This record gives sequence, structure tokens and C-alpha cells, in this order.
Amino acid sequence: AQKVTQAQTEISVVEKEDVTLDCVYETRDTTYYLFWYKQPPSGELVFLIRRNSFDEQNEISGRYSWNFQKSTSSFNFTITASQVVDSAVYFCALSEPYFGNEKLTFGTGTRLTIIP
Amino acid sequence: SQTIHQWPATLVQPVGSPLSLECTVEGTSNPNLYWYRQAAGRGLQLLFYSVGIGQISSEVPQNLSASRPQDRQFILSSKKLLLSDSGFYLCAWSVKRQGAGGELFFGEGSRLTVL
Repeated sequence: AQKVTQAQTEISVVEKEDVTLDCVYETRDTTYYLFWYKQPPSGELVFLIRRNSFDEQNEISGRYSWNFQKSTSSFNFTITASQVVDSAVYFCALSEPYFGNEKLTFGTGTRLTIIP
Repeated sequence: SQTIHQWPATLVQPVGSPLSLECTVEGTSNPNLYWYRQAAGRGLQLLFYSVGIGQISSEVPQNLSASRPQDRQFILSSKKLLLSDSGFYLCAWSVKRQGAGGELFFGEGSRLTVL
């Protein structure tokens, strides 16, 4: 069975500080995909990034960066120079490698509050 | 461009009453459709998914059911609500593809409170 653990329930940091959100996953599949989604106060989830299990290169997109380490089954998300607009609930998710549909297993989310 | 809409946005219902949440996708055809529930402190749980009209797969045995009467319409229903049905319900869609790993596009969500 697949499992995603986001041990940090809530994090608060002062604006402009860097913050890392942790994600640890469990799967028996050799092929899988990992995702991060952002849920702002409006409620809808917004896709941030997808990473497949064969690509362990870290990725940077502006102030966002992701560190995928297969050896530790982790896919951590770092926000550099945080801003108030980054305040949201962030979900890490893991997909099953089945064709035809996208069945994601989500973590319980980390609520990030950026204090101005 | 593609859009997804859910309604109602907020619903307060008594225990034992019926439920109908509706989701419609525009700007695409033959999407995969999903219903997720978000309960406090429990992340998002996949309830149902559909790969086509009339094709529904249930992930969790429960008091709810889903239907897909049209290609881009997905409905979540219950005949008698329980207190435990309270939560934030999210509809999502994805493009059909050969492999996995596709992106999910979520609606705005429907907040259900059962009293």
C-alpha cells in the first residue's frame, strides 16, 4: 500500500525566511510519480510540480525548489525568501503507476503561515 | 481553456437528509473524473473516480455514491447523510494518457456540514 507522510502539521515563519516542507513516502512500485499541490484559502488545489521516480535531479522554479532523494524516500519542498502569498496548505502526493487514470495518495498536508 | 465548477459551494444538511453535489468540466472531452474528500487533519481521500460515462470505481466503502450521466458531469450523492460525511469535497479531472503521472485539475470545492 502507498503512504505519504507530512509530519509537519503547521509551520509559521516570518516573511523573507526560508522554509522547508518535508514529505516522506512509501511504495512498492519501482515506477511512480510524486507531486506537490498548494491549497490557498480559496480551497482549490493548485498543481506545483511533478517528479517521476527515475529523475532525481533537484528542481528550482523561482523561489521554489524541490529535493527528491530516493534513498530516503523523501521529496522535500523549500520556499526561499517566503512571502505572505505563500501562506497556504501544501500537500505532497504519490501516484500509482496505472494507465488510464491518476489515483493519487495525498499526505495530510502542512499548513504554512507566513507572518508579515 | 478548460474549467471545472462545483456546486453548491457550501451546504448545511441535517442527519438523514439526501445529498447531491455536482461537478462539471468545460473545454475538454472524455476526461477522467474524481471525487476527493478532505476531512480535518486527514488529508485528501479519493472517494470515486470515473474513466467514462456510467463507469464508476469506488475507493472507499461508505454512505456515498457517484454517477456520471454525461461525459463532463460528475455527481456525488447520498440517500441519508451521516455526521461523518461532513467535510470539504473536491472534484477533479485529468486528461487521459498512456501512462500515469498526469496532473489533476481541481474545482473550488464544496463544504458540507452535517448537523
